[in-house]
Amino acid sequence: AQSVAQPEDQVNVAEGNPLTVKCTYSVSGNPYLFWYVQYPNRGLQFLLKYITGDNLVKGSYGFEAEFNKSQTSFHLKKPSALVSDSALYFCAVRNYGQNFVFGPGTRLSVLP
Amino acid sequence: DGGITQSPKYLFRKEGQNVTLSCEQNLNHDAMYWYRQDPGQGLRLIYYSQIVNDFQKGDIAEGYSVSREKKESFPLTVTSAQKNPTAFYLCASSIESGSSYNEQFFGPGTRLTVL
Repeated sequence: AQSVAQPEDQVNVAEGNPLTVKCTYSVSGNPYLFWYVQYPNRGLQFLLKYITGDNLVKGSYGFEAEFNKSQTSFHLKKPSALVSDSALYFCAVRNYGQNFVFGPGTRLSVLP
Repeated sequence: DGGITQSPKYLFRKEGQNVTLSCEQNLNHDAMYWYRQDPGQGLRLIYYSQIVNDFQKGDIAEGYSVSREKKESFPLTVTSAQKNPTAFYLCASSIESGSSYNEQFFGPGTRLTVL
């Protein structure tokens, strides 16, 4: 069975500092990995995905994520956080022919 | 949220009533999905459809029903059999075409409250 863990319910970071939102997964084979962001009372917005190839994936709004197969992780990163990055972040995994599985979400607060 | 609309934004239901949530997409996507979001639990799949006139149960289908008569539309009915329907409901769509690496596009959501 597929599963996704986001070990931190909440991440706080000062504006201008780098941020990391963690994601680990458990799935057989070679899954596809995704990050989404959700602002209050809104739907999810796609940030980036890993399919194959380079382990460092760049996405929207300056976000990037690093795929680490040996650690089964796909952490989301940004070099310099903005207050406007404050939101709920979801990691998701999908294996070929199966449905998406979403993590429980991590709330990011960027403090001015 | 572009390309997928959900209505209404807020919905109130009395116990024992059925209600239908609307989802429309103009992205020409084959697949459509309904998720339920509860605090701290992420998204849970209710139903999905990969083609018109066909749909499959997700992980929490009990108390819900759907139809897919048109490619653009995938309405969700929350029936009186759903014991705890108060939640945020999200509709999504994606290109399938035999691949699993396409991201989903989400609507703005409908917040359902049972009075």
